[in-house]
Amino acid sequence: SYELTQPPSVSVSPGQTARITCSGDALPKKYAYWYQQKSGQAPVLVIYDDTKRPSGIPERFSGSSSGTMATLTISGAQVEDEADYYCYSIDNNGHRWVFGGGTKLTVL
Amino acid sequence: EMQLVESGGGLVQPGESRRLSCAASGFTFINYSIHWVRQAPGKGLEWVANIDQDGSQKNYVDSVQGRFTISRDNAKNSLYLQMNSLRAEDTAVYYCHILSGSFSYWGRGTLVTVSS
Repeated sequence: SYELTQPPSVSVSPGQTARITCSGDALPKKYAYWYQQKSGQAPVLVIYDDTKRPSGIPERFSGSSSGTMATLTISGAQVEDEADYYCYSIDNNGHRWVFGGGTKLTVL
Repeated sequence: EMQLVESGGGLVQPGESRRLSCAASGFTFINYSIHWVRQAPGKGLEWVANIDQDGSQKNYVDSVQGRFTISRDNAKNSLYLQMNSLRAEDTAVYYCHILSGSFSYWGRGTLVTVSS
């Protein structure tokens, strides 16, 4: 079955740039989506269609994709950005969706 | 106001069945495919199943294929998940979820606990 691979954790100091990667064989042809989930809350979409930012999401959040890897970048990470981040995409057949394993971002 | 409200969770014995519901309001339900996503306690998000706008296309994660059935009733703006032969590893909060471009919405989830 299709898998998306993320690092389990990323740690940065406030104001630094955090980069979270997501690797998957279908990513050259399928969009990546990124969700932020804080403890006890429903996920929030922060990036869609690889690079686009929904309204209301701060400009410090950006996305990119090259080959089999998608990347979520948080430029000037803030303490309130501490959360679990999940990439999300669909397999090459366009039938089954999958989440990455999640990356815990620590900002301190 | 847009809402997705899940219901039907609870404590279930292994091997038993449970039906979850998701009631939608505040948007045009029939316009969207819709997903079930679950999250086991302390674990990550797992996509479970989805159904297209008219209910003709359904897809499942391998671990529930043959045990779970997703369905919808567009006249009632409702989504369902029939879960049979439940296992301990199905214990999770189950969310209904819509994703269409920048449009993303989640319910608050319903907890299913499979335990004897």
